[in-house]
Amino acid sequence: DQQVKQNSPSLSVQEGRISILNCDYTNSMFDYFLWYKKYPAEGPTFLISISSIKDKNEDGRFTVFLNKSAKHLSLHIVPSQPGDSAVYFCAASAGGSNYQLIWGAGTKLIIKP
Amino acid sequence: EAGVVQSPRYKIIEKKQPVAFWCNPISGHNTLYWYLQNLGQGPELLIRYENEEAVDDSQLPKDRFSAERLKGVDSTLKIQPAELGDSAVYLCASSLEVGSEAFFGQGTRLTVV
Repeated sequence: DQQVKQNSPSLSVQEGRISILNCDYTNSMFDYFLWYKKYPAEGPTFLISISSIKDKNEDGRFTVFLNKSAKHLSLHIVPSQPGDSAVYFCAASAGGSNYQLIWGAGTKLIIKP
Repeated sequence: EAGVVQSPRYKIIEKKQPVAFWCNPISGHNTLYWYLQNLGQGPELLIRYENEEAVDDSQLPKDRFSAERLKGVDSTLKIQPAELGDSAVYLCASSLEVGSEAFFGQGTRLTVV
């Protein structure tokens, strides 16, 4: 049973436009959410996070939105740049002393010139 | 500052042979993670260390997998004997403490033939 789902395996966006990556979760105990970015042959790198006490967190071109009632979060990238082409992973945790990140399968973002 | 260093980058072995992976975390990071990542999926936690103590190894297949983190710094992950289904990327990550941002190494791509 996948607790964190990224239903779009890939997404293609024109350079300069907005990229929206989606993530759904099933565990209502999750209270901390992260987005990681991964280039080929490299490990994932942390991008942005959000706590469940907030519904939006912004960092430059990247904004994460959290809708707790819908158990849905999204990552917006505006404007999209060629260097944004990568696989994006959504991850969630329930916090506490038994902290463990549960990861989605990833969405491959392709930015077209 | 050096990031998380893993070796080897690639390893090809025959089934039933043993294999070991090595990880050097970022200096000062108390928490160390070993993840397994299959193609098209997100990372799955195998084991988490707090200093030299394995605090979460519930997902580690203990019949063939073992890990150690001597002196709370470097860590090794061993598989003996390897099976065809073990072919995957093995990622090591470290963080200052549990729940803080995790930094990943480049991973070791294991192919069992």
